[in-house]
Amino acid sequence: EAGVVQSPRYKIIEKKQPVAFWCNPISGHNTLYWYRQNLGQGPELLIRYENEEAVDDSQLPKDRFSAERLKGVDSTLKIQPAELGDSAVYLCASSHSGTPGEQYFGPGTRLTVT
Amino acid sequence: GEDVEQSLFLSVREGDSSVINCTYTDSSSTYLYWYKQEPGAGLQLLTYIFSNMDMKQDQRLTVLLNKKDKHLSLRIADTQTGDSAIYFCAETSISGAGSYQLTFGKGTKLSVIP
Repeated sequence: EAGVVQSPRYKIIEKKQPVAFWCNPISGHNTLYWYRQNLGQGPELLIRYENEEAVDDSQLPKDRFSAERLKGVDSTLKIQPAELGDSAVYLCASSHSGTPGEQYFGPGTRLTVT
Repeated sequence: GEDVEQSLFLSVREGDSSVINCTYTDSSSTYLYWYKQEPGAGLQLLTYIFSNMDMKQDQRLTVLLNKKDKHLSLRIADTQTGDSAIYFCAETSISGAGSYQLTFGKGTKLSVIP
């Protein structure tokens, strides 16, 4: 069974530029999560989807961050414009809706904003 | 608010036992989790314990839960060099949007000396 796929693995951009991350969850997992992991920290939830519906985006900085999961499978997370403080690893995870604590993580996208 | 505390570093010799400790704050957490993160990778679920249990054993892993003190520990028997990684404790909590979420600690970096 394929795991959670994310791309790109690394991205370096200048501040004020836009950036997008893509995630393909495990087949059959209807819950998808985007996390941000700062250096030396644990992951912090940005947004959670149940199928195509964002059911928890309370921690997503909506002035510059947006996300979508149009067909309830793949998802993209966008930052526009990026700021220096956005440098982090962006992790995507998925789970069955009945076992939300048993999450499967992708390898992440390491974003560096210069 | 929810907070999960872990010591940041642990160093053990190969073949010894490792004990990673965690304290959490949300007494209503129904499940508590241990995740492992290897360099450049996403998090991998190791094990979890239901809040009405005080111990769970899974091969080399033993989880102990002291619900009164809100203390969780992970013991790895016969630690191997392949166990070198960052270990995250996570509690279940209710987000600002009223939905179930995981709150992670900052992680304990385990170094295994050959």
